Amino acid sequence: QKEVEQDPGPLSVPEGAIVSLNCTYSNSAFQYFMWYRQYSRKGPELLMYTYSSGNKEDGRFTAQVDKSSKYISLFIRDSQPSDSATYLCAMSLSGGSNYKLTFGKGTLLTVNP
Amino acid sequence: DTEVTQTPKHLVMGMTNKKSLKCEQHMGHRAMYWYKQKAKKPPELMFVYSYEKLSINESVPSRFSPECPNSSLLNLHLHALQPEDSALYLCASSQEEGGSDDEQFFGPGTRLTVL
Repeated sequence: QKEVEQDPGPLSVPEGAIVSLNCTYSNSAFQYFMWYRQYSRKGPELLMYTYSSGNKEDGRFTAQVDKSSKYISLFIRDSQPSDSATYLCAMSLSGGSNYKLTFGKGTLLTVNP
Repeated sequence: DTEVTQTPKHLVMGMTNKKSLKCEQHMGHRAMYWYKQKAKKPPELMFVYSYEKLSINESVPSRFSPECPNSSLLNLHLHALQPEDSALYLCASSQEEGGSDDEQFFGPGTRLTVL
């Protein structure tokens, strides 16, 4: 079983839709959870960073962490064509560089105008 | 300013060439990272520098040689690479305080092609 599972998609939605992206993980010691957005041939851009269970909202984006189920989600409201990208979840045991990020494989999202 | 810069953006080199990739950040971060990313795969960690000292080497072949001249700069020296080393090379940095502010910020990457 991989440490982090993420459906690679591709996921195609119409503009304005609510998008739900998910990752599951097997290591209950993970404490920090991230979502990165990566446009084609560019570096990953940090969208959300959380270190506890619950919800965190930033504009159209909401990150949800459920440690009891070992499940994290990213919701995108009112999706736009500019949201078309690969979304990577990542997690680590703790903060600091001694604790590697473990990435999911990424989900390719296309938002159609 | 949450920017990590990388140069060059693109690099094509032969298997006998020596080249270097450069990374710079001015956020006062004390940890810097090199990652390698192949197409449609997540980034793979190569090296970590913490307070200018190499702290993690993920068993990377010696044809890749990292260097951290100061807290703002990170280099990756390349020599005798193989075509399978062609990839997007990403630099990242983080504060290195071991707490809740240790997000890793990535640069735009250098797209390397080895002929």
